Amino acid sequence: KNEVEQSPQNLTAQEGEFITINCSYSVGISALHWLQQHPGGGIVSLFMLSSGKKKHGRLIATINIQEKHSSLHITASHPRDSAVYICAVLSGGSEKLVFGKGTKLTVNP
Amino acid sequence: DTGVSQDPRHKITKRGQNVTFRCDPISEHNRLYWYRQTLGQGPEFLTYFQNEAQLEKSRLLSDRFSAERPKGSFSTLEIQRTEQGDSAMYLCASSLRRQGADYGYTFGSGTRLTVV
Repeated sequence: KNEVEQSPQNLTAQEGEFITINCSYSVGISALHWLQQHPGGGIVSLFMLSSGKKKHGRLIATINIQEKHSSLHITASHPRDSAVYICAVLSGGSEKLVFGKGTKLTVNP
Repeated sequence: DTGVSQDPRHKITKRGQNVTFRCDPISEHNRLYWYRQTLGQGPEFLTYFQNEAQLEKSRLLSDRFSAERPKGSFSTLEIQRTEQGDSAMYLCASSLRRQGADYGYTFGSGTRLTVV
């Protein structure tokens, strides 16, 4: 079992829909990252969380430390949001990120 | 500062050749990380530096791989005697580590290696 599990693996939505991507992890963590990766490879860091909730534009990330769970929400989704979204955790005492396999999001116009 | 830069963006090499990739982190960042991502998978940790010191290496980093950060600024990752299994995206990231917390964790665009 991977230390970081994401669901769903693939997600197709219509423009304007509210999107939720989930991340569960099995280790104690000091921080959790949500990352976006477009075709061609480059990774963009969206959020780094250690507690609570963060919002940036149409993106919202939440984390529940007790339940070892985080969600990434996209409001009013747009085709340009189509990308792979990756959850990564920094486990307590470790210096390296452990990544989920990603959720491929496709938003159709 | 334009973020984390990686060079080259793409590299095609014949099996058995040596390749070297370069990463220029954000200038004030003291931490530099290398990750590898194969098709359809999330990135996997390879190694990281605090300033010029290489503090941890993954078991994925066989003796054909070597990484350096000689002056605590840019870093190079060399793969000797490349194999087809080395084909992957090699990602670099940097951060400012201060008082036990990471700030400004930033990834580069990656170097895509294809071994033919």
